[in-house]
Amino acid sequence: QKEVEQNSGPLSVPEGAIASLNCTYSDRGSQSFFWYRQYSGKSPELIMFIYSNGDKEDGRFTAQLNKASQYVSLLIRDSQPSDSATYLCAVNKWAGGGADGLTFGKGTHLIIQP
Amino acid sequence: EAQVTQNPRYLITVTGKKLTVTCSQNMNHEYMSWYRQDPGLGLRQIYYSMNVEVTDKGDVPEGYKVSRKEKRNFPLILESPSPNQTSLYFCASSSRTGVNTGELFFGEGSRLTVL
Repeated sequence: QKEVEQNSGPLSVPEGAIASLNCTYSDRGSQSFFWYRQYSGKSPELIMFIYSNGDKEDGRFTAQLNKASQYVSLLIRDSQPSDSATYLCAVNKWAGGGADGLTFGKGTHLIIQP
Repeated sequence: EAQVTQNPRYLITVTGKKLTVTCSQNMNHEYMSWYRQDPGLGLRQIYYSMNVEVTDKGDVPEGYKVSRKEKRNFPLILESPSPNQTSLYFCASSSRTGVNTGELFFGEGSRLTVL
């Protein structure tokens, strides 16, 4: 049974601070890793993906991957109230070839306090 | 505009009354999938399709049917809905080629209540 684990939260972070969201996965053969953001009542949208060990930065977002520890994280710098949402970690057993290998975590509810 | 369109967005029905939730995408994606999302349980995959006439069960297929007669359409059929199928449903699509083939594009969701 492939599993993707996230702390459900809520994770409360003051505005302007760094929000750190964590995800662990059980399938050591996982190849690609995704972070989706879902606002309340809306559909998930992709914000970051990472394939290789290390850090990947995109604006205020940084994804970190450690395959040896089976751990992926998302850092949000200078957190804004508009970042308040549920963040879903998704892990794909394929490096390419389609989304049929995706497994989602249950998500972490992030609250940015003004 | 690239999009995944689901209908209806909201539906209240009664136990046993067959219903279909339609899903259409305009991105020429090969892969399409249905998820349901329930509080505390996250996104759970119901069925998916790798291409036309190719469908397979996900994690929670019981009580659902799908078909993929055309590339753009992937309807979800509830033959005899029951209250435990009350949920928020998402259709999603993805390309099977290219760099970021794990990216799913989601529809806006269909909130279904079965009384």
